[in-house]
Amino acid sequence: DGGITQSPKYLFRKEGQNVTLSCEQNLNHDAMYWYRQDPGQGLRLIYYSQIVNDFQKGDIAEGYSVSREKKESFPLTVTSAQKNPTAFYLCASSRTAGFGYTFGSGTRLTVV
Amino acid sequence: SQKIEQNSEALNIQEGKTATLTCNYTNYSPAYLQWYRQDPGRGPVFLLLIRENEKEKRKERLKVTFDTTLKQSLFHITASQPADSATYLCALAVNTNAGKSTFGDGTTLTVKP
Repeated sequence: DGGITQSPKYLFRKEGQNVTLSCEQNLNHDAMYWYRQDPGQGLRLIYYSQIVNDFQKGDIAEGYSVSREKKESFPLTVTSAQKNPTAFYLCASSRTAGFGYTFGSGTRLTVV
Repeated sequence: SQKIEQNSEALNIQEGKTATLTCNYTNYSPAYLQWYRQDPGRGPVFLLLIRENEKEKRKERLKVTFDTTLKQSLFHITASQPADSATYLCALAVNTNAGKSTFGDGTTLTVKP
């Protein structure tokens, strides 16, 4: 079955560490997105990519970095510059712009 | 400033009734609007997408309307069931080419037996 796989499901980060969240899709979708969700709130866009080797900043890109070297993969690195990284991170893909998203099951990141 | 508002954080209704959820927006000219369902601890699931030139979309017990004059979308679930209990998110995209969407905070629906 096609879908999006996010890993790990839970991640713990120490202060000052960089961590990378994995997102892989086998839907042959061109566009991929990273959103952050805080408790009781909606999703806020971190980065998005419409095509391989190209990506754009979303509304809250500071402290995050991404790469899109393959169509299937869009990893997100949470750097030590992100001061409040504890949140639920969601990766999504869409066939192209103008279509609904397919979301992964999320990664819950906690700073310890 | 741009804003998306979904009606009250929580909505409680009786099984069998129609649930109506509201998504209002200001300072947007959306190209299309989407509705998603999210269960606790899970990723959202896409339900319906409606474009700016469409007034209404239906899918089984779901119906979405889109009024660009009122700057509002209504999401209806008819003959609601306890299994429909979840948080429902609306999302707006202002540019068909960019594809990125901005989400509201969601409305939590509880359907009581």
